[in-house]
Amino acid sequence: DADVTQTPRNRITKTGKRIMLECSQTKGHDRMYWYRQDPGLGLRLIYYSFDVKDINKGEISDGYSVSRQAQAKFSLSLESAIPNQTALYFCATSEGTGGTGEQFFGPGTRLTVL
Amino acid sequence: DQQVKQNSPSLSVQEGRISILNCDYTNSMFDYFLWYKKYPAEGPTFLISISSIKDKNEDGRFTVFLNKSAKHLSLHIVPSQPGDSAVYFCAASEWGGGFKTIFGAGTRLFVKA
Repeated sequence: DADVTQTPRNRITKTGKRIMLECSQTKGHDRMYWYRQDPGLGLRLIYYSFDVKDINKGEISDGYSVSRQAQAKFSLSLESAIPNQTALYFCATSEGTGGTGEQFFGPGTRLTVL
Repeated sequence: DQQVKQNSPSLSVQEGRISILNCDYTNSMFDYFLWYKKYPAEGPTFLISISSIKDKNEDGRFTVFLNKSAKHLSLHIVPSQPGDSAVYFCAASEWGGGFKTIFGAGTRLFVKA
């Protein structure tokens, strides 16, 4: 079974709709992240959480919100989706301290906003 | 302002030859540099890393070189194999715990059989 799972894998929605992307992990990591990938821009950080009670904005948090329901679950919401939020979204986890900062990624959610 | 830049969107190499992927950065405070590999329909997976206090790290066919004075790192793959065809992301981490990791835009590597 995959260590980091994301649901749904693909989603098409309309402008103005609320949508939630979910992420679960079995790695036992405290730190979780949400990124979006756009062509030519690499991965950009939306939100990150160091533990259940610690949530922080990343580089591009406008238009997004998150919820850390448990150590293993971190969800990303788009309150009112807009077309420029069409992208590939990745959830990732990492250990708390030390090491190289290696992150473990889920398979991604492809979101299309019409 | 892109702190991590991969200036080559794509690279094509013949099987068996060396692939060299390049990355430049601007922030001298980065502690670790990492390379991730991404296949279609999958998330990125960690490939190799290097500490800012080292200048070389090798793992099998993969070697990463760091030139701090030039703020430049490169990933060498020798010999290249068709299964290496993927998108490679360069990343830099300011703290070892994974916080504030900045990713480059990626380089798509094609290894021709």
